[in-house]
Parts: sequence; structure tokens; C-alpha cells
Amino acid sequence: SSELTQDPAVSVALGQTVRITCQGDSLRSYYASWYQQKPGQAPVLVIYGKNNRPSGIPDRFSGSSSGNTASLTITGAQAEDEADYYCNSRDSSGNHLVYVFGTGTKVTVL
Amino acid sequence: EVQLVESGGGLVQPGGSLRLSCAASGFTFSSYWMSWVRQAPGKGLEWVANIKQDGSEKYYVDSVKGRFTISRDNAKNSLYLQMNSLRAEDTAVYYCAREATMVRGGAFDIWGQGTMVTVSS
Repeated sequence: SSELTQDPAVSVALGQTVRITCQGDSLRSYYASWYQQKPGQAPVLVIYGKNNRPSGIPDRFSGSSSGNTASLTITGAQAEDEADYYCNSRDSSGNHLVYVFGTGTKVTVL
Repeated sequence: EVQLVESGGGLVQPGGSLRLSCAASGFTFSSYWMSWVRQAPGKGLEWVANIKQDGSEKYYVDSVKGRFTISRDNAKNSLYLQMNSLRAEDTAVYYCAREATMVRGGAFDIWGQGTMVTVSS
């Protein structure tokens, strides 16, 4: 099955911009979706498709993709953005109806 | 309100069985693929299984094939996960999640609050 690799942790100063990346072969075929998870809570979808935000997600969250890498950018990070972030896509290595999650990135807002 | 509510978690001995349920409300359950996703304590998310709208197609992560069975009852707006031959490594919070439609690459747009499964003697 495919794998999606993320940096374990990144930090960002309050109000600055941070980019979280996700690498994997499946991203050459599929867009990544991105999830925010705060301690003790269920994940929340923040970006899906080419660069779409569900209702209620601030526009400081954006997504992009190039080759085998997808990125989630938080422009003007806020204290409430401190969380774990996971990417996800369909698995292109075999059955395209199954999924794979990235390893996760812990974002700290300083 | 669109909502997913899991139940059925608990403590079970290695080799035992457990059946998780997920009650859906606020949307047309029968129109969506549904998935189970789990998260071991302190670890990342792992997709476990999914099922087509009419239950005719089901897929599993390799580590649970032959042990777990996903099913659904559209008349009851419910999703299930039958877990047999449980192992310590199955210990996790189990989430049910709705698969968004028409998204290249897929996405899980609605999540339940999760139910904890602990496999221990």
C-alpha cells in the first residue's frame, strides 16, 4: 500500500505563515485532504480537493500540490491553530477505493 | 444537524470480539460511502475499512482482513464494525466517518466523536 510522509513537528510564530508538507506516490494521482486534530477531539476536515475549504474553516487555510507533494499552508497562524495535522488520499498502489493517512505533523504556535 | 455517534467500545481480552455501531443523523445515510478510522493511543490516524452505499463493496486495511467485518443497515441509518480475534495492537479510538462525494482523492467530511477499544488481559 502507499505511504504518506509528513514532518513530525513544525513551529510558527503567532501571525506568521507555516507550510506543512505531505509526500507520497499516490499524490501524483490524487489530491490530498487535510485534517486538524486537537487533543481529545475528533479530526476536522480543513482542506479537500484542489484547494477547497468546508464551511466554517477560516480562509487562512489553503492547499496546494505539485508532483508527489501536497502542502497545507496556514497564513497568519493563530493560537487556536496549534494542533496535529494529517494528510490523506486514496491509495494509488492497488485498490483505489482504499485510503491512506499521513504520519501527522504537530504544529506549535509560539 | 449532521451527526455521527459511535458506541460499543470497551475492554476486551485478546482473542475476543466486539461490535461497534455508528448512528447517523441529519443526512441521507444511504447516499454515502462510510469508513472506520482508528487511532492508537499517542499515534496517528489509520484508515480501517469502508463500505459502499448499498453494502455491495467493502474494503479493509491489510492488518484487519479476515478479522474485522464492516456492514451497514440503511433502514436504521447505522454503520457497524464487527471485530473478532482482537489483538493488543487493535487498541485504539475508533471513529466512523462519512466519505465526501465527488472529491478526487477522497475526503472524510463528517466524523463521530469516537469510541475507545482496549484489548488487554
